[in-house]
Amino acid sequence: KQEVTQIPAALSVPEGENLVLNCSFTDSAIYNLQWFRQDPGKGLTSLLLIQSSQREQTSGRLNASLDKSSGRSTLYIAASQPGDSATYLCAVKRGLQGGSEKLVFGKGTKLTVNP
Amino acid sequence: GAGVSQSPRYKVAKRGQDVALRCDPISGHVSLFWYQQALGQGPEFLTYFQNEAQLDKSGLPSDRFFAERPEGSVSTLKIQRTQQEDSAVYLCASSLPRDRPYEQYFGPGTRLTVT
Repeated sequence: KQEVTQIPAALSVPEGENLVLNCSFTDSAIYNLQWFRQDPGKGLTSLLLIQSSQREQTSGRLNASLDKSSGRSTLYIAASQPGDSATYLCAVKRGLQGGSEKLVFGKGTKLTVNP
Repeated sequence: GAGVSQSPRYKVAKRGQDVALRCDPISGHVSLFWYQQALGQGPEFLTYFQNEAQLDKSGLPSDRFFAERPEGSVSTLKIQRTQQEDSAVYLCASSLPRDRPYEQYFGPGTRLTVT
C-alpha cells in the first residue's frame, strides 16, 4: 500500500528566505507526482506535476524535483513571500498497470511566511 | 474556462439525516474523483468514474456512501444516515487523460458538519 509522508508538518520562515519542503513515498511504481497548494477553507490548486520519467519541473519561484528510485520529491520555494503562506500537499498517482487513477496524498506541510 | 464547481459549499446535517453533494466537472473531462479530507489531514480517495462507469469505489468507507454519474458529467455523492465521523470536506476533481496526462483539477469542496 502506497504511503506518502511530508516533512516538516509545519514551517515558519521570515520573508525572503529560500525553503525546501520534503515528500517521500513508499512505492516507487508511480506514474506522476503532483504538488498542490491549499488555502484555508479552499480547494486544492495544482502547482507542479512531474511525470515519472522527469527529474524536475519549474514554475516561477517554484521548483519540484523527483527521485523516483529513492521515493523522494522536494518542492523548493525561492524568495518566499507572505502570500506563499498555505498548506502544501504532495500526491502520487500509481503506475498505469493497476487500474486506479486515484491520487494518494501526504498530510501536508503548513507554511507560514512572516513579513 | 470554468473550473470544477461543487454545491453546496457548506452543509450542516443532524445525525441520521441523508445528504447529497453535487459536483460539476470541467466540461469534457472524462474522469471524475471524490475525496474526503478530515481536519488537518490530506485528502483520501473515495471513488472514481470514467464517463458514467464507476471504476473504483474502494475508498468508500461504508455502504452508507453512494456515488453516481448517470450521464457522464455531473456527479452526486450521497451519504445516508449521517454520523459525526462523516464531518469533513468532500472534494471533487476531474481530469482529461490525454491532456497533461492525469493531472487532476479540484473544486472548492463541500464542508459537511454533522451535529
